[in-house]
Amino acid sequence: DAGVIQSPRHEVTEMGQEVTLRCKPISGHNSLFWYRQTMMRGLELLIYFNNNVPIDDSGMPEDRFSAKMPNASFSTLKIQPSEPRDSAVYFCASSFYSGGKLGEQYFGPGTRLTVT
Amino acid sequence: AQTVTQSQPEMSVQEAETVTLSCTYDTSENNYYLFWYKQPPSRQMILVIRQEAYKQQNATENRFSVNFQKAAKSFSLKISDSQLGDTAMYFCASTKIQGAQKLVFGQGTRLTINP
Repeated sequence: DAGVIQSPRHEVTEMGQEVTLRCKPISGHNSLFWYRQTMMRGLELLIYFNNNVPIDDSGMPEDRFSAKMPNASFSTLKIQPSEPRDSAVYFCASSFYSGGKLGEQYFGPGTRLTVT
Repeated sequence: AQTVTQSQPEMSVQEAETVTLSCTYDTSENNYYLFWYKQPPSRQMILVIRQEAYKQQNATENRFSVNFQKAAKSFSLKISDSQLGDTAMYFCASTKIQGAQKLVFGQGTRLTINP
C-alpha cells in the first residue's frame, strides 16, 4: 500500500492567494483527519471526516479555511485568502473506524506551507 | 476535554543509555487510548507504541515500553539501549474510544542521542 498521499509536499505562496492542499487516504479507510503543526501551537486537529461527512470542524481557525471530501479517496483543504500566520505543516491522516474499536491513524508526509 | 502535557522540551543521552520521556494527561473518559509518536527530521509521524486504558499491563514494543499509571494519569515512555536513529521529536497523544477518535497531542520532547 502506498500509504497516505499528500500533495504538494511544499508550497510557497504570497499573502492573499488561494492555497489548496490535497490528500488521498489509504484505500479502505473511512475516517480522514487534517492536522496542523506550528511551533507556537504544536499539533492540532483542524477537521475530521467519517464516511466522507465532516464530523467535527471545531478546529478550523476561521472562515478562510474550508475542507471537502467529495469521495472516499480524496480530500482537500483550502485556504482563501492565505495569510503569513497560516504558514505551517499540514498533515492528513486516515484510519478505519468501526464503532468502539480503535482505528490506528496513519499519517501522510505533510505539506509544508509558507505564506510570504 | 482531553489535554496532554509533556514537561520536558528537550532531552539528551548517550548512545546505548536508557531514557524516559514523561507525559501526563487529563480526560473525563473512562475508556481511551494513549500513544507515543515519533517525528524524525523527515517530518513523518510514526506510531511507536500504544496503550489501551482498560488494560493494566504496560505495552512494550522491542526497546520501547511504557509506564502507565492510570490513577495518576501518567504515561511515560522508556527507550532502552538507545540508538542514534532514535533522535527525533516524541509526541504523547490520547484519544477516546467512543465517538470522535481525534488525537490530542502534547507539546513534544526533542530527544537527541549522542554517539
